Amino acid sequence: EAGVVQSPRYKIIEKKQPVAFWCNPISGHNTLYWYLQNLGQGPELLIRYENEEAVDDSQLPKDRFSAERLKGVDSTLKIQPAELGDSAVYLCASSLDTNEQFFGPGTRLTVL
Amino acid sequence: GNSVTQMEGPVTLSEEAFLTINCTYTATGYPSLFWYVQYPGEGLQLLLKATKADDKGSNKGFEATYRKETTSFHLEKGSVQVSDSAVYFCALSSGYSTLTFGKGTMLLVSP
Repeated sequence: EAGVVQSPRYKIIEKKQPVAFWCNPISGHNTLYWYLQNLGQGPELLIRYENEEAVDDSQLPKDRFSAERLKGVDSTLKIQPAELGDSAVYLCASSLDTNEQFFGPGTRLTVL
Repeated sequence: GNSVTQMEGPVTLSEEAFLTINCTYTATGYPSLFWYVQYPGEGLQLLLKATKADDKGSNKGFEATYRKETTSFHLEKGSVQVSDSAVYFCALSSGYSTLTFGKGTMLLVSP
C-alpha cells in the first residue's frame, strides 16, 4: 500500500515569490492534515480537512497561506507571497477518521 | 492549552546501552499519548501509543507507560542499536484528532 505522497521534496525560492505544495493521502483516508515543522521543533498543525471541509484552520496564516482539497482527495497548500520566515518543512498526514495519522516525507522549503 | 515537554538532545549512547527519553505533558481532560520517530529524510512514523492511564505502549523493544499522576510518558528501551538513531517526538491528542508535539529529541547511537 502506498503511503502519503508529497511533492516536491525540496523547493528553493526567492522571497515574495509564490509556492505550492501537493499532497496525495493514503487511499480511503478521509482526514488530511498539513503541519509546519520548523528546524529543531515539533510539527504544528496548520489545517485539518475532513473530506472536502476544512474543519480546523485556526492556525493557518490566512493573509498569505491558502489550502484546498478538491473532491476530498488530493490537497494543495499555497504560500503567496513567501517570506524568509516560511523556510521550514511542510508535512502532510492522513488518517481514517480520527485514527492513527500517517505522515508523508515532507517538503523542505528554503526562502532566500 | 495542551503542551508537551521533552528532554533536550542530542542523547548520545553506545550500542546496547539503556535509553530513557523523558516526556511530560499538560492537557485538559484525558489525552491519548504517542511517541513518533523520524529517521533521516523520512516522515514521522508512529512508534507506540497509550490511550488511558496506566496503559503501556510497546513496539520494537521500546516501551512507555501513561502516568497520569506525574503527567509523564517516558520512552525506554533496554538495549539500543545503531539503527535506532533518529529523532523521537512525544505527542498528545485530546478531544479531536489534532496532535500536539514536543520539540523532539535526537538520539545518536554509536557502535
